[in-house]
Amino acid sequence: SAVISQKPSRDICQRGTSLTIQCQVDSQVTMMFWYRQQPGQSLTLIATANQGSEATYESGFVIDKFPISRPNLTFSTLTVSNMSPEDSSIYLCSVPSLAKNIQYFGAGTRLSVL
Amino acid sequence: DAKTTQPNSMESNEEEPVHLPCNHSTISGTDYIHWYRQLPSQGPEYVIHGLTSNVNNRMASLAIAEDRKSSTLILHRATLRDAAVYYCILRDLDNYGQNFVFGPGTRLSVLP
Repeated sequence: SAVISQKPSRDICQRGTSLTIQCQVDSQVTMMFWYRQQPGQSLTLIATANQGSEATYESGFVIDKFPISRPNLTFSTLTVSNMSPEDSSIYLCSVPSLAKNIQYFGAGTRLSVL
Repeated sequence: DAKTTQPNSMESNEEEPVHLPCNHSTISGTDYIHWYRQLPSQGPEYVIHGLTSNVNNRMASLAIAEDRKSSTLILHRATLRDAAVYYCILRDLDNYGQNFVFGPGTRLSVLP
């Protein structure tokens, strides 16, 4: 199994600022996924990040708001830009297993925007 | 990937078996049935998955109907730690390596 570390685990931010969330995996992976989980809701995919190429964003999510970096096969960052209270959510990163038939998730970053 | 339907919530007593149902009437022949659960303040974790035959692992059992239009996740002896949201997800074999699409899931409460 893969061990995924996310930082920070939680943060409280002011409106209009940006927060960068880090995701570190203990093994090399081609694909990494970023999800958002709004309060009381299920998970929604934000984007897929492949090393060496631009991230692929899902409908409703744009690069200017959620820029993603993927500098190597074990690390990725998601930035939540120009935050508003509506961005208050849990943000999770995820990677597929080696066989790609299951996924592993980080514990998430709980973001509150005031 | 086809859609699944689960009850919003279920309740169980500690140390009793729990049967969590999932309907997937539009399942295709190459859809695998996956179950994940999300404990409070954690990311989802893999529970079990299967295609046609019933499956067992250390966490749970997965019973798949003969026509594959429904399945049941079985926790043999619920503990307080099993209180979580359980997600039943279908994923096509051809989509391996792609993301999972999560529905609302079933919130399981375990009473002492």
